[in-house]
Amino acid sequence: DAGVIQSPRHEVTEMGQEVTLRCKPISGHNSLFWYRQTMMRGLELLIYFNNNVPIDDSGMPEDRFSAKMPNASFSTLKIQPSEPRDSAVYFCASSLRQGTGELFFGEGSRLTVL
Amino acid sequence: GESVGLHLPTLSVQEGDNSIINCAYSNSASDYFIWYKQESGKGPQFIIDIRSNMDKRQGQRVTVLLNKTVKHLSLQIAATQPGDSAVYFCVYHGSGNTGKLIFGQGTTLQVKP
Repeated sequence: DAGVIQSPRHEVTEMGQEVTLRCKPISGHNSLFWYRQTMMRGLELLIYFNNNVPIDDSGMPEDRFSAKMPNASFSTLKIQPSEPRDSAVYFCASSLRQGTGELFFGEGSRLTVL
Repeated sequence: GESVGLHLPTLSVQEGDNSIINCAYSNSASDYFIWYKQESGKGPQFIIDIRSNMDKRQGQRVTVLLNKTVKHLSLQIAATQPGDSAVYFCVYHGSGNTGKLIFGQGTTLQVKP
């Protein structure tokens, strides 16, 4: 299995631009998670889905952030408009079932907003 | 509130020695803990987990100990190797079956050759 696939791996953009991060979970996994990692705040859960339905989005910073999972094999995290403080590494992870502690993480998308 | 904390931000050990990474938690209702490893430039990777009805669990070269009395968790790595150099996260699993994982700040393990 190829694992969780994220794109792009690196993105540099200017403040105010729209950013779309993409994730393909492991086939057969029912839960998908978006995390953000910064030096100051560590790893933060932004949102997670179970069977394509958002379960908990309490970690989404503000209305500029939105996430979708139109089908079991694809999810997007969108930031519009982006701000410098959004600069971070964004990780997508998937798990076989809800409630397990074993998540499989992608390699992350490093976002820099100038 | 809930918190998962590490006792030391950086641990340096000699190759071949055993490593012990400690973690404290504050929520008495915590019933499921997980250790993750993150190598530079990569995503976190699951190592081992333990439920509150156990006080010890062993994997390949790793052992997790849970002391519910003092709310303390530790990860022991036997015969530490250069490939073990990474950041180690003590992770708390949210109550119920929500699937929400709360990561601590992490301990950096440096293995000296």
